[in-house]
Amino acid sequence: SQTIHQWPATLVQPVGSPLSLECTVEGTSNPNLYWYRQAAGRGLQLLFYSVGIGQISSEVPQNLSASRPQDRQFILSSKKLLLSDSGFYLCAWSRDLAEAFFGQGTRLTVV
Amino acid sequence: RKEVEQDPGPFNVPEGATVAFNCTYSNSASQSFFWYRQDCRKEPKLLMSVYSSGNEDGRFTAQLNRASQYISLLIRDSKLSDSATYLCVAGHSGGFKTIFGAGTRLFVKA
Repeated sequence: SQTIHQWPATLVQPVGSPLSLECTVEGTSNPNLYWYRQAAGRGLQLLFYSVGIGQISSEVPQNLSASRPQDRQFILSSKKLLLSDSGFYLCAWSRDLAEAFFGQGTRLTVV
Repeated sequence: RKEVEQDPGPFNVPEGATVAFNCTYSNSASQSFFWYRQDCRKEPKLLMSVYSSGNEDGRFTAQLNRASQYISLLIRDSKLSDSATYLCVAGHSGGFKTIFGAGTRLFVKA
């Protein structure tokens, strides 16, 4: 069976510090991978998606970047965090247009 | 305009009530549709897929109207445990994007 791991679960970072969130998928190959952000009380905002190694599409201009160094690894990064980067970050995978499965999320607070 | 739009609610209903949510999507190329449920401070989890012919899973019924570009979710005999946020999803092959609506909050009260 397929599983998705995302870590850390919670993170408190000062403004201006770097960020690296990692997501890995097991039990499948060549998944579509997604990073979403959810601000408190708001919906899911698609940040990045990837259909293959090294292929990243960005949905919104922002302070974040994503990379896919391996087939089942998706990394969300920032060189300098802003207060507005606080939120609930969710990694997800899917096959083609099938349903997406989510990791447990990382709750990031920038202070 | 957002690709997928939902009434944010909240919907406050008594136990046993029937409640319906609608969701509209703007991309006519959308090919796959789902409803997800998200509990407070948790990740979204798939509730059900939405098929062109409509489908039912116990107390939940999902419908798709391609002509009007909307999907619906009907919950019958609401339970306290149905309280959550319900997200509708439309996916299309243009980049294999999976787009979520902002969610509709449901509170079921005793």
